[in-house]
Amino acid sequence: QQKVQQSPESLSVPEGGMASLNCTSSDRNFQYFWWYRQHSGEGPKALMSIFSDGDKKEGRFTAHLNKASLHVSLHIRDSQPSDSALYFCAVNPSSGSWQLIFGSGTQLTVMP
Amino acid sequence: DTTVKQNPRYKLARVGKPVNLICSQTMNHDTMYWYQKKPNQAPKLLLFYYDKILNREADTFEKFQSSRPNNSFCSLYIGSAGLEYSAMYLCASSRGSNTEVFFGKGTRLTVV
Repeated sequence: QQKVQQSPESLSVPEGGMASLNCTSSDRNFQYFWWYRQHSGEGPKALMSIFSDGDKKEGRFTAHLNKASLHVSLHIRDSQPSDSALYFCAVNPSSGSWQLIFGSGTQLTVMP
Repeated sequence: DTTVKQNPRYKLARVGKPVNLICSQTMNHDTMYWYQKKPNQAPKLLLFYYDKILNREADTFEKFQSSRPNNSFCSLYIGSAGLEYSAMYLCASSRGSNTEVFFGKGTRLTVV
């Protein structure tokens, strides 16, 4: 069974700072990495997906994928208190798979 | 409207009694999922419907049932609740595989 490991478990950054979250897959046969964000009382919501080596930027959020090491990171620049949430990394394990395998999440707190 | 609705938000059940959770989506998505989320753990896929075809994970095959009477609705049924079923249950939907999955806010089930 493929595993998805996230680190750190929790992270605190000051408002305006940079938050960096990490994720590693145990299985080379993946199609996409996803980042989901869950605010308290809400369901997880997709932030972005990445499947090619390198960076993908969407506003203040940048994902970086290294396929060789099966590692993806999420960097949030100019962090805002509204970014405080639980961030999940998830993997589609193979082509045409409906399964989305999640990590256990990183709790981000942005301090005003 | 990109919402998935779940009812109820909170449910209290007695050990040994049945539990039925309801989910709906109006996005005409062909796939609907049920995930189980326990504190400090990754969301775990229990089962999913692709159109009318039910797919259940091997390790939860006998514990959960589901029905999808039409494209918009999906239920999760526990025949005899045990204490270990206490968790957040997240319903989700998507159009096809390897695409964004939209989650509801969840139903928090407490079994006593």
